[in-house]
Amino acid sequence: NAGVTQTPKFQVLKTGQSMTLQCAQDMNHEYMSWYRQDPGMGLRLIHYSVGAGITDQGEVPNGYNVSRSTTEDFPLRLLSAAPSQTSVYFCASKAGQGNTGELFFGEGSRLTVL
Amino acid sequence: GENVEQHPSTLSVQEGDSAVIKCTYSDSASNYFPWYKQELGKGPQLIIDIRSNVGEKKDQRIAVTLNKTAKHFSLHITETQPEDSAVYFCAASTGYSTLTFGKGTMLLVSP
Repeated sequence: NAGVTQTPKFQVLKTGQSMTLQCAQDMNHEYMSWYRQDPGMGLRLIHYSVGAGITDQGEVPNGYNVSRSTTEDFPLRLLSAAPSQTSVYFCASKAGQGNTGELFFGEGSRLTVL
Repeated sequence: GENVEQHPSTLSVQEGDSAVIKCTYSDSASNYFPWYKQELGKGPQLIIDIRSNVGEKKDQRIAVTLNKTAKHFSLHITETQPEDSAVYFCAASTGYSTLTFGKGTMLLVSP
């Protein structure tokens, strides 16, 4: 099993450009989420989904959109990139919809906005 | 929302020593407390977790303790080895399908 796959691994954008970070999981997990990791800030939740067609905001949702049309995929869209969105982004999934259970993380996508 | 404080931010120990990382949480409704280890260039991985109806849990050299009254929990690593060097994150969760992480502790184990 591949687990959680994120693409691209690295991306450089100019301010105002848009892009989509892709996330796919092959474990049939209901729950998927996006975190951003910044130095000294830990992992902060951007958006999450408890199943296809259901999404909700996390701690830092501004500037990001998500959708969940299938169980496997959970893309993160930046509509107009800003330097403050320079970060490492992690997608994570877990079985079930409750608050317990192991989160499986992807390897991360490093985004730089100039 | 939930707030998780983690200390220390960095911890240096000699191989064979014990390491302790402490976290406090703010929401008394939180009932699940996992710990994740992140190696350089990789995503975090779960190493141990504890639920609010348990006071302590062990897995080989790793243990976690929980004090619900004081709203704090700790990670204990005994007989540390160089491969334990990594960033460790604590987290807390209530019943809303979200996990709030601490800011992380960089553990350095010197041979």
